Amino acid sequence: AQSVAQPEDQVNVAEGNPLTVKCTYSVSGNPYLFWYVQYPNRGLQFLLKYITGDNLVKGSYGFEAEFNKSQTSFHLKKPSALVSDSALYFCAVSVNQAGTALIFGKGTTLSVSS
Amino acid sequence: DAGVTQSPTHLIKTRGQQVTLRCSPKSGHDTVSWYQQALGQGPQFIFQYYEEEERQRGNFPDRFSGHQFPNYSSELNVNALLLGDSALYLCASSLGRGRTDTQYFGPGTRLTVL
Repeated sequence: AQSVAQPEDQVNVAEGNPLTVKCTYSVSGNPYLFWYVQYPNRGLQFLLKYITGDNLVKGSYGFEAEFNKSQTSFHLKKPSALVSDSALYFCAVSVNQAGTALIFGKGTTLSVSS
Repeated sequence: DAGVTQSPTHLIKTRGQQVTLRCSPKSGHDTVSWYQQALGQGPQFIFQYYEEEERQRGNFPDRFSGHQFPNYSSELNVNALLLGDSALYLCASSLGRGRTDTQYFGPGTRLTVL
């Protein structure tokens, strides 16, 4: 079965430090990978996606993600965290078997302290 | 340019009742997907509509049904509500070009079943 795992329920970082939110996937076929962010009482906002090509994808608000096929991972990164980055982050994958549906991980809460 | 809009924002129903949620897609988008997000979980795909037809369906019972109108807006209907249907219901729109599409989400409708 297709699945996405976010192994950390919560990530804590200090403002100005680099951050990483981890995501691994298990799919057959080529994965198309997405990151979304959700602020309290809001819908999901698109950050970035990997389709093909360069393994390092740059997205909104200074975020980037690195696709690693051998490790089946798609970790979200940012060189310098802001307090305003504190939110719930979701990794998702779109695969052949699921058509255009997105399969989401359970989410990781990012907390950035000042 | 208006993004994805959903109505109502909040809704309280009792077990056994029926509910209808509404979604207007982002301008220029022709595909609408619906997701259920239970508390503390990632969104789960319910179904997707394209050209007024249900194109794909997730693992949800027939109590969940939908419709897409000629202007691409969509409704999600849930019959015989159960306590477990309490969740945030998210609508997402996209261009309907395939698995590489970016889905843009609305703010959601919070449904509480008592």
